[in-house]
Amino acid sequence: GAGVSQSPSNKVTEKGKDVELRCDPISGHTALYWYRQSLGQGLEFLIYFQGNSAPDKSGLPSDRFSAERTGGSVSTLTIQRTQQEDSAVYLCASSTRTSGDGDTQYFGPGTRLTVL
Amino acid sequence: GDSVTQMEGPVTLSEEAFLTINCTYTATGYPSLFWYVQYPGEGLQLLLKATKADDKGSNKGFEATYRKETTSFHLEKGSVQVSDSAVYFCALTRPLYNFNNFYFGSGTKLNVKP
Repeated sequence: GAGVSQSPSNKVTEKGKDVELRCDPISGHTALYWYRQSLGQGLEFLIYFQGNSAPDKSGLPSDRFSAERTGGSVSTLTIQRTQQEDSAVYLCASSTRTSGDGDTQYFGPGTRLTVL
Repeated sequence: GDSVTQMEGPVTLSEEAFLTINCTYTATGYPSLFWYVQYPGEGLQLLLKATKADDKGSNKGFEATYRKETTSFHLEKGSVQVSDSAVYFCALTRPLYNFNNFYFGSGTKLNVKP
């Protein structure tokens, strides 16, 4: 079946502009995660959605970052007034969070954001 | 709090050499443990996992054993190939569903030379 998809695959923007990054999780997956990966670095957790619960936003680096998840499926990560330090690959992952394979996260290919 | 520590890279090996990438964890209870692999220009893929003590996860010639007594989950492969060149991430999670509890190590880059 289809995996996690993200769009766009690449985004180049100018400093100060707003950007929206989209994630389509695997159908039926109730949990959705956003991570940021700077060049040559590990994963930085940003935000976690689980079903209808309030999202865990503890990883968002500033109030310029926000995310929403509509209808328990598609998620959009928005970065307002982008800065050069926001340049990174933004990864989305989903999981079922149920028994069996519920612990496993399935990752999308990422969106590479470049802020000039 | 929960955390994962893995050996720093890069690790450079010749083809057919033996690979070990160390991973230790700190967690209460009984976490599930994972190794993810990230090939150049791609997202992360699950390589293997283990959900309870003494379990061995294996895939593509890679193995890791869940050692609760040493809180470790070291990744091993008997004979690496050039195609194994990638970044490897150790991770853990515990079944607390209302907040994020998925923790990744910082990643270890593996370079395999022909």
